[in-house]
Amino acid sequence: DAMVIQNPRYQVTQFGKPVTLSCSQTLNHNVMYWYQQKSSQAPKLLFHYYDKDFNNEADTPDNFQSRRPNTSFCFLDIRSPGLGDAAMYLCATSRDQLDTQYFGPGTRLTVL
Amino acid sequence: KNQVEQSPQSLIILEGKNCTLQCNYTVSPFSNLRWYKQDTGRGPVSLTIMTFSENTKSNGRYTATLDADTKQSSLHITASQLSDSASYICVVSAGMDSSYKLIFGSGTRLLVRP
Repeated sequence: DAMVIQNPRYQVTQFGKPVTLSCSQTLNHNVMYWYQQKSSQAPKLLFHYYDKDFNNEADTPDNFQSRRPNTSFCFLDIRSPGLGDAAMYLCATSRDQLDTQYFGPGTRLTVL
Repeated sequence: KNQVEQSPQSLIILEGKNCTLQCNYTVSPFSNLRWYKQDTGRGPVSLTIMTFSENTKSNGRYTATLDADTKQSSLHITASQLSDSASYICVVSAGMDSSYKLIFGSGTRLLVRP
């Protein structure tokens, strides 16, 4: 019954080595979000897609990019991960922007 | 400046007791307010979502209230269980359509002890 699926659950990468995190949804929701969450902090929105319209938060580093090839899938690319990018990355979806968000289990990224 | 402040930062209660978590916001224009529960190492799960016209909403042992005049919300947990140990995050939606923003509080970490 998984609705928002994130793969992998745990990702280890080396400093500067590109990494891609994936998210898929079975809810057919219009909106998909990527959040970064560091320990004991609230999730921080990186981007969101309303359908194919991409919305980048003003303070999201250029190192982070996103792709949404179709309704079901969304990817987060980190071009050159730094130690400060180690965090939990959460994907979420919602039917519309003002509706409840459904979160995936997250991908915990470790940067060595 | 749009802000969401939660209190207390952390809370320890005994199993079976009730507790109330607070959320104060300065967000404009207000769209809705959500409470999420986040277990350690997992994604947040929605508990309630309330619009401007709603004063209270319940989800099992969780009851959220909203006072749009004072810009305050509370989450009341009744007869706490060990599984209620988690972070509770208040999120306020500001704006509409293209200007829409989600403002997150920093959360309250609740520990329920046997």
